[in-house]
Amino acid sequence: EIVLTQSPGTLSLSPGERATLSCRASQSFSSSSLAWYQQKPGQAPRLLIYGASSRATGIPDRFSGSGSGTDFTLTISRLEPEDFAVYYCQQYGSSPRTFGQGTKVEIK
Amino acid sequence: QVQLVQSGAEVKKPGASVKVSCKASGYTFTSDYMHWVRQAPGQGPEWMGIINPSGGSTNYAQKFQGRVTMTRDTSTSTVYMELSSLRSEDTAVYYCARTNYDILTGFWNAFDIWGQGTMVTVSS
Repeated sequence: EIVLTQSPGTLSLSPGERATLSCRASQSFSSSSLAWYQQKPGQAPRLLIYGASSRATGIPDRFSGSGSGTDFTLTISRLEPEDFAVYYCQQYGSSPRTFGQGTKVEIK
Repeated sequence: QVQLVQSGAEVKKPGASVKVSCKASGYTFTSDYMHWVRQAPGQGPEWMGIINPSGGSTNYAQKFQGRVTMTRDTSTSTVYMELSSLRSEDTAVYYCARTNYDILTGFWNAFDIWGQGTMVTVSS
């Protein structure tokens, strides 16, 4: 099982600032199988990034993903008020599919 | 538009079973796969398993083997997840989520469409 560890647990930032979220895997896997999701309270997760760096339909270009092997990053270039949420990374290429424990981006 | 609509909240006693439905619309039901994911209060998502609506084959997470059953009804474009021998730790929101397999690349795709979630509470 691939264990995903996200850091930091909480990121306190102001609107307009840059957010950098990390996801580290317990073993290397194809970047084609790494996704990032955004989740707001009371809502289902929403796909932001797939294949480590491709934006899903309708996702603004302030969201970008990068990385390979065991280290992956989600960057939000300039935080908008609607971006304050919890973000999860996920590997979806093999069973069991696994998720990180999440990074909460909160308003400072 | 593509959407997954799940059944309503459930309250069950320990030892009981629960069956959650997920009705798909807006796409060809048998062309894509469906996952079930649960999320306990304040926790990250946890993958439970996957079903192929076309043939009905399943692959369950080891943690749920023997307790979970995923089925589908192609006539109504609905998938079901039944969890038995419920305990308090099964209290969570249960989601269905769509994916597909790209035969050209040999890779699975991410979970692009999610249901709205079904809250299952297990309490005596």
